[in-house]
Formats: sequence, C-alpha cells, structure tokens
Amino acid sequence: GDSVTQMEGPVTLSEEAFLTINCTYTATGYPSLFWYVQYPGEGLQLLLKATKADDKGSNKGFEATYRKETTSFHLEKGSVQVSDSAVYFCALNTGNQFYFGTGTSLTVIP
Amino acid sequence: DGGITQSPKYLFRKEGQNVTLSCEQNLNHDAMYWYRQDPGQGLRLIYYSQIVNDFQKGDIAEGYSVSREKKESFPLTVTSAQKNPTAFYLCASTSGTGVRTEAFFGQGTRLTVV
Repeated sequence: GDSVTQMEGPVTLSEEAFLTINCTYTATGYPSLFWYVQYPGEGLQLLLKATKADDKGSNKGFEATYRKETTSFHLEKGSVQVSDSAVYFCALNTGNQFYFGTGTSLTVIP
Repeated sequence: DGGITQSPKYLFRKEGQNVTLSCEQNLNHDAMYWYRQDPGQGLRLIYYSQIVNDFQKGDIAEGYSVSREKKESFPLTVTSAQKNPTAFYLCASTSGTGVRTEAFFGQGTRLTVV
C-alpha cells in the first residue's frame, strides 16, 4: 500500500550545521509530496511541497526535490538555526488520502 | 484570518466518560479530517468527511464517532469504548480531494484520562 518512511530521530545539530532528513515513499500513480513542521504543543504547518517529479519545493532556506527514480523527497537546509528546532513530517497525497511519516525531531544547539 | 480552530486546547476525561472535541474551519474547505498523534507513531487517521452529512472511517475509528452537519464543523467524540484515549488530536481540512491539495491543521487538543 501507499506509505511514507522517514529517517528516525532525534537529530541534534549545532547551529549553522547542514541538515538532511531522509524521506522515501511508496505510491502508485503521481502523488504530491510535502514537508510539514510541528513546533511543541502546536499543529502542523506546511513547510514546502512538490507536485510532480523533479519539482523542487523551497521555503525559509529549506529545500526538497521530488525524485521519482529513487522515490525520495529528502529535506535539506544549508545552515540550521536554533529556531528550526521542531518535529518534521514528510507526507504524501495520493488524491484519496494523506499519508504521514512518523516524524523526525530536530534539536539545534547554539 | 482564515484557519482551523480546535477547542479546548487541553481536555481531561474520567474513565467511562464521553468527551467531544470541537473543530471549526472558516476556509470554506469541503474535506475535513481527524488524526491522532502518539509519540513516535506519527499521525493516524481516525475519520474523514469529504462533504456535509457524509463521513468515512479511517485506520483507527474504533471508540470514536463524528458528525458533519455543517460544512465548517466536524466534531469528534471520544467514547468510553476507546480504551486508550490519551493522545494529541489534530483536525485538518483540504479544499478538495485533488492530489495537489495541501492539508491545513488546527492547533490540536491534548486529551488526558484522569
């Protein structure tokens, strides 16, 4: 069935370090892919999205490229800040349903 | 501002009680969803509704019930049949069911059994 698998955490990085959070998916057809961010005690906020193969979503210095050949949508940021500390969810929309990964907790230390 | 409002933010339930979580949206979205979030398990779909007066069970519907009498409202009742209800509950909505649609989320309700 359709699913999303993302890198387990927690991830701890120093400020200004490079971030990669891996996400792979299984789906039939042509889904859209998303990254959501959740700050403590809050709901999920859309961070970026890509709706077709080779699309690159970007926002607030974060980027992810929809790779159909490797069924991946890895999240990257060149220089993380303390304010980026949150839980990040990879998600898939098949048109019938959303599927979410288990979330990756990121802590950035000064 | 348009958005999704969940209330209350914190809710405490005694054993054997039913409780209802509120979800209201003013985005004019057709579809609404309820998810349950437990540590390390991501989001699990409880119920969803694509139009008024119609809803479908998700992956973990047992012990929960919903109604969709108005487009903007999708309340979730956690019944006494739900044996482990302590969790963070998230309501979401989408403008439709197309593959490019993004989901919008409320701020969540944390339910604790006391």
